[in-house]
Amino acid sequence: GDSVTQMEGPVTLSEEAFLTINCTYTATGYPSLFWYVQYPGEGLQLLLKATKADDKGSNKGFEATYRKETTSFHLEKGSVQVSDSAVYFCALSLYGQNFVFGPGTRLSVLP
Amino acid sequence: GAGVSQTPSNKVTEKGKYVELRCDPISGHTALYWYRQSLGQGPEFLIYFQGTGAADDSGLPNDRFFAVRPEGSVSTLKIQRTERGDSAVYLCASSSLAGLNTGELFFGEGSRLTVL
Repeated sequence: GDSVTQMEGPVTLSEEAFLTINCTYTATGYPSLFWYVQYPGEGLQLLLKATKADDKGSNKGFEATYRKETTSFHLEKGSVQVSDSAVYFCALSLYGQNFVFGPGTRLSVLP
Repeated sequence: GAGVSQTPSNKVTEKGKYVELRCDPISGHTALYWYRQSLGQGPEFLIYFQGTGAADDSGLPNDRFFAVRPEGSVSTLKIQRTERGDSAVYLCASSSLAGLNTGELFFGEGSRLTVL
C-alpha cells in the first residue's frame, strides 16, 4: 500500500541553523505531497504542498520540491527560529481522498 | 468558533466500556476524516465521509469501531467494548470540496482516549 517514510527525530538545532527533514514515499499513481506541522498544544496544520513532479511548495521560509525520480519531498529551511519547534509530518494523497501520513519528526530549536 | 471542534478533549474509561467522540467540522465542509494517533506515530486513517455517507471506512480496525454523520455535519466516532490498545488521540479533520484537491485538511486538537 501507499506509505511515507521520514527521518527519525528528534532533531535539535541552534537558532539560524539550516534544516533538512527527509521524506520519501511509495504510492501507486501520482500523489499530491504535503508537509503538515503540529505546534505544541495545537492541531495539525498544512505547511506546504506540491501536486505534481518538480513543483516546489513554500511557506514561512520552508520549501520542499516534489522529486518523482527519487520519490522524495524533503523539507528545508535556511535559518530556523525557536518558534519553528514543532512536529513535522510528511503526507501524500491520491485523488484527494485518503491522506497517508509519515510518523513525524520532532524539531527542537535552541536559542 | 471557526475551527474544527472535538469533544471531549480527554476521556478516561475502563476496559469494556462504550465511548463516543464527537467532531464538529468547519461549517460548509463536506468532507470529514477520522484519524487515530498513537504516541510517537503519525495519524492513522480510520474513515472518510463525503456528506452523510462513509466514502471509505477501510481504516476502521474492527467492528468495535463505528462512525456516523447523519446530517452531513457533526460526526460521532463510537467505540464498543474498549480495549487498552484503543488508547490514543483521535483526530478529526474537515475539508471543503475544493480543499480535497489542495490538501487543505483542517484538524481539530483531538480527543485523547485512555482505556484503563
